[in-house]
Amino acid sequence: AQSVAQPEDQVNVAEGNPLTVKCTYSVSGNPYLFWYVQYPNRGLQFLLKYITGDNLVKGSYGFEAEFNKSQTSFHLKKPSALVSDSALYFCAVSLWRIIFGKGTRLHILP
Amino acid sequence: GAGVSQSPSNKVTEKGKDVELRCDPISGHTALYWYRQSLGQGLEFLIYFQGNSAPDKSGLPSDRFSAERTGGSVSTLTIQRTQQEDSAVYLCASSLDPTVISYEQYFGPGTRLTVT
Repeated sequence: AQSVAQPEDQVNVAEGNPLTVKCTYSVSGNPYLFWYVQYPNRGLQFLLKYITGDNLVKGSYGFEAEFNKSQTSFHLKKPSALVSDSALYFCAVSLWRIIFGKGTRLHILP
Repeated sequence: GAGVSQSPSNKVTEKGKDVELRCDPISGHTALYWYRQSLGQGLEFLIYFQGNSAPDKSGLPSDRFSAERTGGSVSTLTIQRTQQEDSAVYLCASSLDPTVISYEQYFGPGTRLTVT
């Protein structure tokens, strides 16, 4: 069975500092991995995805994620956080059907 | 182009009433998904329509929940005899060819259902 875990319910980061939102997965094959973001009172938006190739994937709003097969992780990162990055972030894995993590709430402190 | 649309945006209903929630996917998207999100929490998968194949109903929480998709486009999620625990935001998403699982999903704004 496939699953995805986001071990942190909430992450607090000071504005300007680098941020990391963690995601690990468990699948029996080669997964496709996604990050989505949900800003307050708005729908979910696609951020980025890993299909194959370069392990570092760049996405919208300056975000990037690194696929690590040995650690089965796909952590979301950004070099310098903005207050406007405060939102709910979902990691997802797709093998035969997409499965979403429970989400991590990111708070960027001014 | 137009994104995924959902209606109504908000629905308040009395316990025991039936409700219908509508989703209009992006034109040309053959896969359609329904999710439920409670109080800014995670996404609970409900049902998945994949082209002309039988839908994956494995996420429907009870037989009070049903969904249909007419003509491979618009979908309606019906909740019969609503209960207070059904209160949540119901999200619809669509994506291109469901056999290509690398395609990302595009989400609608959701319907906020409140059962009083």
